[in-house]
Amino acid sequence: KNQVEQSPQSLIILEGKNCTLQCNYTVSPFSNLRWYKQDTGRGPVSLTIMTFSENTKSNGRYTATLDADTKQSSLHITASQLSDSASYICVVAGMNYGQNFVFGPGTRLSVLP
Amino acid sequence: NAGVTQTPKFRVLKTGQSMTLLCAQDMNHEYMYWYRQDPGMGLRLIHYSVGEGTTAKGEVPDGYNVSRLKKQNFLLGLESAAPSQTSVYFCASVQGYNTGELFFGEGSRLTVL
Repeated sequence: KNQVEQSPQSLIILEGKNCTLQCNYTVSPFSNLRWYKQDTGRGPVSLTIMTFSENTKSNGRYTATLDADTKQSSLHITASQLSDSASYICVVAGMNYGQNFVFGPGTRLSVLP
Repeated sequence: NAGVTQTPKFRVLKTGQSMTLLCAQDMNHEYMYWYRQDPGMGLRLIHYSVGEGTTAKGEVPDGYNVSRLKKQNFLLGLESAAPSQTSVYFCASVQGYNTGELFFGEGSRLTVL
């Protein structure tokens, strides 16, 4: 069964600190992996999209890495800000038609002053 | 350019009542999706559409029906609401399957009493 797992489930850090969120997946064949940010009460917003040939992609203070061999991805947040408090969702797209996006449960990040 | 718009944003129903959620996108996207989001779980696919006039079942389709009579609109219906359908519903659209950016609406919070 195609699955996406994320860790940790929740994380609390102080403003200005860095953190790394993890994503493991079993979706096969793999097409691409996405990271989304979801603020409380809002819809998810795209941060990065990576295909199997991309090892890393950045979007400002967000840097995603992908290891397609081990089926692992990480999202690194640098110099965290209070506005980074949100859920971060890992989403994997399969290659086969009708194989829709598979969502992880998300990591809830709280950035404290 | 509004992106993906969902209406209504909030709704309270009594068990057995019916209602329709409307999703509208102004990006001329082919693919549209309806998801539900429950605490501690990833977004789960209810139904999806790969083009005007087409619909298909997702992971959790029971109790829901959909229609895509116009390319820009994707309707989600509940014929006889049940408390288990209390959830936050998200609509999303993308131009090309597994290649383009997936855009989400802001969500519709439904409570069934």
